Amino acid sequence: LAKTTQPISMDSYEGQEVNITCSHNNIATNDYITWYQQFPSQGPRFIIQGYKTKVTNEVASLFIPADRKSSTLSLPRVSLSDTAVYYCLVGPWMDSSYKLIFGSGTRLLVRP
Amino acid sequence: NAGVTQTPKFQVLKTGQSMTLQCAQDMNHEYMSWYRQDPGMGLRLIHYSVGAGITDQGEVPNGYNVSRSTTEDFPLRLLSAAPSQTSVYFCASSYSQGEQYFGPGTRLTVT
Repeated sequence: LAKTTQPISMDSYEGQEVNITCSHNNIATNDYITWYQQFPSQGPRFIIQGYKTKVTNEVASLFIPADRKSSTLSLPRVSLSDTAVYYCLVGPWMDSSYKLIFGSGTRLLVRP
Repeated sequence: NAGVTQTPKFQVLKTGQSMTLQCAQDMNHEYMSWYRQDPGMGLRLIHYSVGAGITDQGEVPNGYNVSRSTTEDFPLRLLSAAPSQTSVYFCASSYSQGEQYFGPGTRLTVT
């Protein structure tokens, strides 16, 4: 299982773009990269998932370089409601040994 | 769809008591998991299941049992509660390694 490393915390201001990088040096060929967001007292919520290059949805973009040893979650124009903990997960797709592991996450604080 | 439901929302147990945390999903997901989250920490995987009748251990399985007799339900049983099991417990389900849907959590206190 690929281990992930993220910054413990980040600060930003409303309206700024925030980039959170996750390092996963021993990612396997069949591993996907998934990001979750968690607000206090709630379960995590899926944000985005990708395998390589760039993936974009209505809330975020995910950039994955060619070597796939890291990935960057990009949140455009953050607001106060984006204050949360963000988790990067790496795991195989459709694998019967399914065992996704959450790390400690990155605590993002968005200031007015 | 109700999504993933968990009961109870809150529970207080005395050391040595046993109980079952209930988890149900109505999305016909094959994959289901149980996590625990201690204050200020990330989630840790307790047990998971890739389909009815199939379960396996996660990172921290000791002191917990699971069963998966139906696709919809995945109960977590605490055999003999200990203060170290005080935590918030989340159940999740998904089609695969993709988007996991999490329940609202059960806040458990063991005294």
